[in-house]
Amino acid sequence: EPEVTQTPSHQVTQMGQEVILRCVPISNHLYFYWYRQILGQKVEFLVSFYNNEISEKSEIFDDQFSVERPDGSNFTLKIRSTKLEDSAMYFCASSESAGDYGYTFGSGTRLTVV
Amino acid sequence: KNQVEQSPQSLIILEGKNCTLQCNYTVSPFSNLRWYKQDTGRGPVSLTIMTFSENTKSNGRYTATLDADTKQSSLHITASQLSDSASYICVVSRSRGKLIFGQGTELSVKP
Repeated sequence: EPEVTQTPSHQVTQMGQEVILRCVPISNHLYFYWYRQILGQKVEFLVSFYNNEISEKSEIFDDQFSVERPDGSNFTLKIRSTKLEDSAMYFCASSESAGDYGYTFGSGTRLTVV
Repeated sequence: KNQVEQSPQSLIILEGKNCTLQCNYTVSPFSNLRWYKQDTGRGPVSLTIMTFSENTKSNGRYTATLDADTKQSSLHITASQLSDSASYICVVSRSRGKLIFGQGTELSVKP
């Protein structure tokens, strides 16, 4: 069964450093998403991406965050200057069309900012 | 405000028993309602998806119901197994694929 692949599974970084979280969506999917889950809290929407541009973003997705699809397979989330409160699980997801049944999540990257 | 509320927050049941989890939502516009299972440290895995016109959807031992008038949904788990221990999350999809997550119900199945 097709999977959304995320790397690394766990990343530890110092406060103020830049991090890039990587995702390989399912190959025929056109819509890409990032979500985060702070420990003990609900999963929160960060951003959706379609046709090489952001289609929607949440209040959390401020200027410190950016997304990119640098080639035909990868979808990345960059945090420019990490803060302690950025520590969370970050989930990538992809779907064939907006809101469709093919919506699939990756296993997540656990980001720890120290 | 777009919100998804779930109850109970946590639940402990004995293996083989049935249980029902509840979800209330205030999300607009509404596209569909999903139930996900999330194991600790893993990504959510879809169990069922229902659109506005669907009242019930089954997936093996999981049966979800949806009342779009009252904006309520339930997930019924039959003949629970130890592997059912996980967080069960009610998720409502707005248009354009943005998902609104509930807090989840932490289910623990004991032998």
